[in-house]
Amino acid sequence: QQPVQSPQAVILREGEDAVINCSSSKALYSVHWYRQKHGEAPVFLMILLKGGEQKGHDKISASFNEKKQQSSLYLTASQLSYSGTYFCGTELNDMRFGAGTRLTVKP
Amino acid sequence: DAGITQSPRHKVTETGTPVTLRCHQTENHRYMYWYRQDPGHGLRLIHYSYGVKDTDKGEVSDGYSVSRSKTEDFLLTLESATSSQTSVYFCAISPLRQGYNSPLHFGNGTRLTVT
Repeated sequence: QQPVQSPQAVILREGEDAVINCSSSKALYSVHWYRQKHGEAPVFLMILLKGGEQKGHDKISASFNEKKQQSSLYLTASQLSYSGTYFCGTELNDMRFGAGTRLTVKP
Repeated sequence: DAGITQSPRHKVTETGTPVTLRCHQTENHRYMYWYRQDPGHGLRLIHYSYGVKDTDKGEVSDGYSVSRSKTEDFLLTLESATSSQTSVYFCAISPLRQGYNSPLHFGNGTRLTVT
């Protein structure tokens, strides 16, 4: 079953923060996050494997709450380059991706 | 970047015709996947392969078949294309089974239009 992402879209100004959420109705073993720019392939950001785990990549970080079956992606002090569609992927027996969150960062 | 090449990049075909999309990798990864991407649905798994001649169905496999005769090539065939198969198709590779602490690396996609 496909994980649910929220919000569907968000518009920011440079320097603002954003949070993207991903939730599943089934137990999760891991959560992947990818970013896709318009007309390009999805690009891997990070994997979270354990409940409560947090990871960071520059000013993009994520958390994974295994008990709540949720993950959140945090974008801090957003840059123009952060624009794109963000997908979470959850793995149970095979990877299921959320419908995506379109993030637009404006000057 | 992982070496993945998809061909063709764009294809327009008529309803009822067969279509084959090709994915070629130079990474010697064991696992290869075909996804389709449609607005509002994200990426949905069609078929995947875990070795030469070893394939399995994904979430949306109806109307599609695959073959893998060599480690580096994974073919996706639409036996009789329908308009509902108009989509962007992505190939992905991984050294381990998807999700096992192993990210997916995607090709640049094939945009298929069925008229």
